Amino acid sequence: AQSVTQLGSHVSVSEGALVLLRCNYSSSVPPYLFWYVQYPNQGLQLLLKYTSAATLVKGINGFEAEFKKSETSFHLTKPSAHMSDAAEYFCAVSDRGYNKLIFGAGTRLAVHP
Amino acid sequence: DTAVSQTPKYLVTQMGNDKSIKCEQNLGHDTMYWYKQDSKKFLKIMFSYNNKELIINETVPNRFSPKSPDKAHLNLHINSLELGDSAVYFCASSQELNLNTGELFFGEGSRLTVL
Repeated sequence: AQSVTQLGSHVSVSEGALVLLRCNYSSSVPPYLFWYVQYPNQGLQLLLKYTSAATLVKGINGFEAEFKKSETSFHLTKPSAHMSDAAEYFCAVSDRGYNKLIFGAGTRLAVHP
Repeated sequence: DTAVSQTPKYLVTQMGNDKSIKCEQNLGHDTMYWYKQDSKKFLKIMFSYNNKELIINETVPNRFSPKSPDKAHLNLHINSLELGDSAVYFCASSQELNLNTGELFFGEGSRLTVL
C-alpha cells in the first residue's frame, strides 16, 4: 500500500539556516510525490512535485526536493530559511491508480530570528 | 477571484444536527474532492467526483453524503453530527482524475465544531 512517513512533527531553524524536512515513501508502483505547504488558516498549496522526470525537483519559494529511489526518500530542502517559511509542510504520494493523494502527518516548520 | 471557494468558513453546531458545506471551483476542472483534516493536522481523503460521478468513497460513514449538481460544485451534507466530526473539511479540485500530471487546488477549509 502507498504511504508516506514524515520524520519530525516539528522542526525549528534559525533565519538564514538550511531547511531540511524529511519524507520517506512506500509505493508498489512508480510513485508520484508531492510537497504541499499550509499557512495558518489557509488551504494547502503545491510547492513541488516529482513525476518521474528529473530526480531533483525545484519548486516555488526557493524549495527543492530530491527523489532517491534507493532510499525511498523525497526530502525537502531550502538553503536559507525566511521567517515567511513558517508553516505546516505535507509530503504526499499518489495511490496505485494515481487518482488520489495520500498525505503524511505533516511537519511544522518554525523559523526564529 | 477565488479558485476553490467553500462556505461556510466556520460552523459551530450541536450534536445530532444536520449541516452542509458547499464548494465551488471556477477553474474548469473535472475532478473535485473532500478531505478531512483532524486536530493533529492529519489529512485524509473522503470522496472524489469526476464530472459528477462518484469515484472514491473512502469508508466514510453513511451520515456523510456528497452531492455534485455539476462539475463545478461539490457539496457535503452531514446528518446526525457527532463530536468526532469536529475537524477542518477541505474541498479541492484537479484538472483531471489522473494526478500524474496535475495538482490539487485546495479551498481555505471549513472548520466544523460539534458541541
